[in-house]
Amino acid sequence: KAGVTQTPRYLIKTRGQQVTLSCSPISGHRSVSWYQQTPGQGLQFLFEYFSETQRNKGNFPGRFSGRQFSNSRSEMNVSTLELGDSALYLCASSLASGREKLFFGSGTQLSVL
Amino acid sequence: SQQGEEDPQALSIQEGENATMNCSYKTSINNLQWYRQNSGRGLVHLILIRSNEREKHSGRLRVTLDTSKKSSSLLITASRAADTASYFCATDAGGSGDKLTFGTGTRLAVRP
Repeated sequence: KAGVTQTPRYLIKTRGQQVTLSCSPISGHRSVSWYQQTPGQGLQFLFEYFSETQRNKGNFPGRFSGRQFSNSRSEMNVSTLELGDSALYLCASSLASGREKLFFGSGTQLSVL
Repeated sequence: SQQGEEDPQALSIQEGENATMNCSYKTSINNLQWYRQNSGRGLVHLILIRSNEREKHSGRLRVTLDTSKKSSSLLITASRAADTASYFCATDAGGSGDKLTFGTGTRLAVRP
């Protein structure tokens, strides 16, 4: 079974731009969660989707958004990028809940210049 | 905000020694999980312990949970150089929605 796939692996953007990150969960997994990881703040929860519905959202500004498609693939978007958005963005999938055992992708390393 | 605080922040041991990491959390939980992360990569699930369990084993891993003290420990026995990684605890605080809250992590270095 293929693991969680995140694309792209690396991304360099400039302030003010927007970015879209993609995540393909393990086949059969319907829950997709997104986390931001930075050296200063550690792992911070962004949002969780199940059956195309956002069930939970972390404490991030509205510039951070996401969605899930009918095949469970998910995207997250960050608009009007700021330097502080530089981070490793991790996607994780699970069968039915963002609280159970999570399977993580390798992440997208975003650098904002 | 971090639910879990891990201790120590960094640990360096010799191959073959045991490594113990501790995690403290703030609110009541349904379960507690441990994950490993190799530098710059995704996290790998190691073990899950439920709030009504006190101890769990998986291979060279032993996890304990003390809900009265709101703490957990992860013991890696007979460590190997390949165990070098960061280790995170994550809690499912019932009522907080479908998410895990991760601790600050312990960086483990195993010297060959």
